[in-house]
Amino acid sequence: GAGVSQTPSNKVTEKGKYVELRCDPISGHTALYWYRQSLGQGPEFLIYFQGTGAADDSGLPNDRFFAVRPEGSVSTLKIQRTERGDSAVYLCASSLQGTSPLHFGNGTRLTVT
Amino acid sequence: GENVEQHPSTLSVQEGDSAVIKCTYSDSASNYFPWYKQELGKRPQLIIDIRSNVGEKKDQRIAVTLNKTAKHFSLHITETQPEDSAVYFCAAISDTGRRALTFGSGTRLQVQP
Repeated sequence: GAGVSQTPSNKVTEKGKYVELRCDPISGHTALYWYRQSLGQGPEFLIYFQGTGAADDSGLPNDRFFAVRPEGSVSTLKIQRTERGDSAVYLCASSLQGTSPLHFGNGTRLTVT
Repeated sequence: GENVEQHPSTLSVQEGDSAVIKCTYSDSASNYFPWYKQELGKRPQLIIDIRSNVGEKKDQRIAVTLNKTAKHFSLHITETQPEDSAVYFCAAISDTGRRALTFGSGTRLQVQP
């Protein structure tokens, strides 16, 4: 079984542009999480899906950030009007259920120039 | 919400010595405490976890202890080896409130050969 897959691995974009980051969780995992990790910091929670619905989106920093998981599997994190401060590694993780061990993907390194 | 504090931020030990990393949490409802190891440029990987119904758990050279009364938990690595060098993150989660791991800020462990 494959682990959590994230694409692209790297994304460079200009300030003001729109980006989409994709996460393909481990098959059968109902819980999916997005985290953001800046250099030298721990992962910072963004949003949590249980199935298709966002169970907790309280970590999204502002309304430029949005995420979907329409069929309860693949998820897309969408960032509008990117800013240089959005530059970070965006990590996706999945688990069988809420308090089961989290399995992380390799992340997408986003650089906003 | 949950707040997790981690100390020290950096730790240097000689090969063969023990290393201890400590974390405190704020939410008394937290009941699951994993530890992740992250090597440079790689994904966080679960190394050990503990649930609130036990006080200690061991896996070869790694152990975790939990003090629910004091709301702190610790990672112990014995007989350290150079390949243990990495950044270690503690985390906590509860079944109530935000159902997503809250991470500490990380400890950079360096094992000197």
